[in-house]
Amino acid sequence: AIRMAQSPSSFSASTGDRVTITCRASQDISNYLAWYQQKPGKAPKLLIYAASTLQGGVPSRFSGSRSGTDFTLTISSLQSEDFATYYCQHYYNYPPTFGQGTKVEVK
Amino acid sequence: QVQLVESGGGVVQPGRSLRLSCAASGFTFRSYGMHWVRQAPGKGLEWVAVIWYDGSKDYYIDSVKGRFTISRDNSKNTVFLQMNFLGVEDTALYYCARGDSGWYGGEYFDYCGQGTQVTVSS
Repeated sequence: AIRMAQSPSSFSASTGDRVTITCRASQDISNYLAWYQQKPGKAPKLLIYAASTLQGGVPSRFSGSRSGTDFTLTISSLQSEDFATYYCQHYYNYPPTFGQGTKVEVK
Repeated sequence: QVQLVESGGGVVQPGRSLRLSCAASGFTFRSYGMHWVRQAPGKGLEWVAVIWYDGSKDYYIDSVKGRFTISRDNSKNTVFLQMNFLGVEDTALYYCARGDSGWYGGEYFDYCGQGTQVTVSS
């Protein structure tokens, strides 16, 4: 199975900060990478698919990019509602696998 | 709007069985692959199984192969997960998810239900 190494596992940030989360795939997965946001007690919510395509209704402060097997989720200006855990997921083949998650906490 | 409502979870002893259901509405169910994704307490997300839009194919994570079976009834807009020989490692919140991508290799999950809790304990 393809492994997704996500970093960091957690960090603290303030409202207005620019935030970057990274995911590295253990092999080439082309652009078949999605990002999700999950808040406590809630289901995961799709933010981005195909590495950089914003899901409908997701604020434009969220963006995704790819460089080889490295993928990045960027939040340009962190808002209060963005404090959550974020996961990457490849869908290049089966089984799809997730990164370990990144918890964004209030500084 | 798209709705996925899971049911069937509960507390069971190791070695027993459970059948989860997911009732879908708000979209053309027969056109989409459907997945189960689980999350153990305090842990990350783990994909479990997929069934093709027409039921013709299914795939499973290695740890559940031979124990879990995914199925669907397109006439009732429902997907199921039959879980046999449950172990404590299967304790998790199980989410039903709609798949999308247009890519034959795999899918992302554009909608998830709220989940149903499965607890395996003696």
